[in-house]
Amino acid sequence: GAGVSQSPRYKVAKRGQDVALRCDPISGHVSLFWYQQALGQGPEFLTYFQNEAQLDKSGLPSDRFFAERPEGSVSTLKIQRTQQEDSAVYLCASSPGLAGSYEQYFGPGTRLTVT
Amino acid sequence: DQQVKQNSPSLSVQEGRISILNCDYTNSMFDYFLWYKKYPAEGPTFLISISSIKDKNEDGRFTVFLNKSAKHLSLHIVPSQPGDSAVYFCAASDSGGSNYKLTFGKGTLLTVNP
Repeated sequence: GAGVSQSPRYKVAKRGQDVALRCDPISGHVSLFWYQQALGQGPEFLTYFQNEAQLDKSGLPSDRFFAERPEGSVSTLKIQRTQQEDSAVYLCASSPGLAGSYEQYFGPGTRLTVT
Repeated sequence: DQQVKQNSPSLSVQEGRISILNCDYTNSMFDYFLWYKKYPAEGPTFLISISSIKDKNEDGRFTVFLNKSAKHLSLHIVPSQPGDSAVYFCAASDSGGSNYKLTFGKGTLLTVNP
């Protein structure tokens, strides 16, 4: 079946612009995660949804970052007033959400460049 | 404060030989460990995992070893193939946490030379 998809794959924003990044998880997956990967680093956790509920947003770097998953499937990560330090690859991952299920399935990511 | 460390940024091996990628962790609450493989412009792909109740897990050419007392795990690839060339990330999870979020290392770039 289809894997996790993300759009757009590449986004260039001028500093101060707002951006919205979309994630389509694997159908039926309960859990959805957003990660930020800076150049030369590993992915870092941003936020977690179980169905439509955002249960953990401890990794969001500032209140300019906002995520939602209103119907428990597609999710959007929004960044307001983008800054240069927001330049990174934003990865979305989903998992079945079953007890003891740790494997997460990642999308290809959205590369955000803030100029 | 890096809780998962991959101290070798890169590793180069000959085709057919063994590749050994290492990972150390500091958080004793971590009890599930995963390895992901990443090609350029793609997302990480799950490779193999191990629970802290085991010390070894094998899947084809890939074996992960866990040494809990040393807080160390390693991924062995035997025999290595040119298609294995990629960045490998070690990740850890705390099953007692509320969300199974993964904590990643910085990755090791593996190059397998023909």
